[in-house]
Amino acid sequence: RKEVEQDPGPFNVPEGATVAFNCTYSNSASQSFFWYRQDCRKEPKLLMSVYSSGNEDGRFTAQLNRASQYISLLIRDSKLSDSATYLCVVNSGTASKLTFGTGTRLQVTL
Amino acid sequence: NAGVTQTPKFRILKIGQSMTLQCAQDMNHNYMYWYRQDPGMGLKLIYYSVGAGITDKGEVPNGYNVSRSTTEDFPLRLELAAPSQTSVYFCASTASGRNEQFFGPGTRLTVL
Repeated sequence: RKEVEQDPGPFNVPEGATVAFNCTYSNSASQSFFWYRQDCRKEPKLLMSVYSSGNEDGRFTAQLNRASQYISLLIRDSKLSDSATYLCVVNSGTASKLTFGTGTRLQVTL
Repeated sequence: NAGVTQTPKFRILKIGQSMTLQCAQDMNHNYMYWYRQDPGMGLKLIYYSVGAGITDKGEVPNGYNVSRSTTEDFPLRLELAAPSQTSVYFCASTASGRNEQFFGPGTRLTVL
């Protein structure tokens, strides 16, 4: 089983739609959780951290369920500029090492 | 701040050649990392360093070497390039006690 699993997509949604991505992780000792965004042929950039209580940043909402080892990202009112690959990322060990999922590709269309 | 810089941006190598991928950061971060990303795949950790003079293997270290003589620089060495090393290589850094990693723009390497 992969350490971090995501549906690769692609998710094709119209502008204005709400879309949700899910992710599961295998290491129950994982401590920190993140969503990174990666544009085509660019480096990953932190979108948001994910907290147990759930957290929101504008149109983006992240949720963590430690019991189910499940992380989600909800994007409301999708914009064309949201088109990218969204990487689910888990910090499970020392030295702030991160484990990356393979990413979920989102394409927002007119 | 320039953040994390990587050179070169692109490189084509022949099988058996060697090269060094350069990475530098100007944020005074203790921790630095090298990842590779194959098409449609997640990032895989090659090597990492928690400070000058300290390096350790990640998930996929075979065929690579690193050194960390200064806080700022963390070069990655490929000794005998193989087609399996065709990939995009990202360098990243973070401060100790922090979780967000800052990435360089990547080096696209092709081995023919």
